[in-house]
Amino acid sequence: DAKTTQPTSMDCAEGRAANLPCNHSTISGNEYVYWYRQIHSQGPQYIIHGLKNNETNEMASLIITEDRKSSTLILPHATLRDTAVYYCIVLKRGTASKLTFGTGTRLQVTL
Amino acid sequence: DGGITQSPKYLFRKEGQNVTLSCEQNLNHDAMYWYRQDPGQGLRLIYYSQIVNDFQKGDIAEGYSVSREKKESFPLTVTSAQKNPTAFYLCASSMWAGGGGTEAFFGQGTRLTVV
Repeated sequence: DAKTTQPTSMDCAEGRAANLPCNHSTISGNEYVYWYRQIHSQGPQYIIHGLKNNETNEMASLIITEDRKSSTLILPHATLRDTAVYYCIVLKRGTASKLTFGTGTRLQVTL
Repeated sequence: DGGITQSPKYLFRKEGQNVTLSCEQNLNHDAMYWYRQDPGQGLRLIYYSQIVNDFQKGDIAEGYSVSREKKESFPLTVTSAQKNPTAFYLCASSMWAGGGGTEAFFGQGTRLTVV
């Protein structure tokens, strides 16, 4: 399974867009990019996933580069409730693979 | 409502005792997972199961055991062989997806303290 690299922490002002990067340079053609987040002392929450096209849902947008070696999760208007650890994961298509988490990016949204 | 339930939320045990953490899902998911999280750390995979009566070790399986007798249930036993059992334990499930990606759903976790 491809490994991912994320910054350890980021800050964002409330109301601004939060752009969280993830590098996955060894991703293979059958691997999806997933994003989850974990608010303190709770279970992780699924946000969004994609294969090669950009994706958008009610929570966020996912931008995947053309070579698929990196992606960016965008929270368009961050609020204090978006303060959490954000995990970027790559997962093979078609299998209930080992779902492995790294250490993620700690996003702090401030007033 | 469909979901994944872990119980209890907080659990205290004496050192040397085995303890079993419950995880139940009514999402009709094939795959289930157990993770451990220590303060300030990411999630580490203990065991996972893709179908009933089958499971595989994750990255830190030593000192733990699981069973998968029913699709809905994936209990985790923390044995006395686990050297540092105090941690936050998370259970998750996901649908077996033959043709595409699938998201995982997590329980709210069990915080185990061994004294």
